Amino acid sequence: DIQMTQSPSTLSASVGDRVTITCRASQSISSWLAWYQQKPGRAPNLLIYKASSLEYGVPSRFSGSGSETEFTLTISSLQPDDFATYYCQHYNSYPWAFGQGTKVEIK
Amino acid sequence: QVQLQESGPGLVKPSETLSLTCAVSGGSLRPYYWSWVRQPPGKGLEWIGYISYSGFTNYNPSLKSRVSISVGTSKHQFSLELNSVTAADTAVYYCARHPGTSNWAWYFDLWGRGTLVTVSS
Repeated sequence: DIQMTQSPSTLSASVGDRVTITCRASQSISSWLAWYQQKPGRAPNLLIYKASSLEYGVPSRFSGSGSETEFTLTISSLQPDDFATYYCQHYNSYPWAFGQGTKVEIK
Repeated sequence: QVQLQESGPGLVKPSETLSLTCAVSGGSLRPYYWSWVRQPPGKGLEWIGYISYSGFTNYNPSLKSRVSISVGTSKHQFSLELNSVTAADTAVYYCARHPGTSNWAWYFDLWGRGTLVTVSS
């Protein structure tokens, strides 16, 4: 099975900061990676698919990059609505798996 | 627009079977694939399995011996059964949609609100 590891686990940042979250796969997953945002008590919400494609309706301050085993989610200018937990998910092969999550907190 | 809603008992006894249904409103199961994902309290996400609109299934090997996903007769709902549950199965259970039917689409573009199932005597 492919394991997904996110770093950091927690990130403290201020409004307006540029934020980068890393997701590493235990083996190559090509570009079969998605990113989700989850707020407390809510379902995850799709942000990025195929590593760098922005889901319709998601603000352009979110971007994704990477391939094979290393991927990043970047928020170019953190907004108050962005404080949440972010998960990566590979869909290269079964079983699909998520990273453990990165919580973005207010500094 | 299409919405998903999970329903089922919020409390299940150990060793019994957890049964949940996901209702699809504003659309039908065709032509999509549909998954169940769970999240233990305070923890991360785990994919349970998926079903196609025609009934083809694929399960996470970690749960395969205990799980069954099926399509409802109305073609607007699908169900999850997880047997021999323990406290480790306590989680919020989400149903979710895949945007297509091939390997480019194995992410989740639409989620239900989730339902908490607690396993306790």
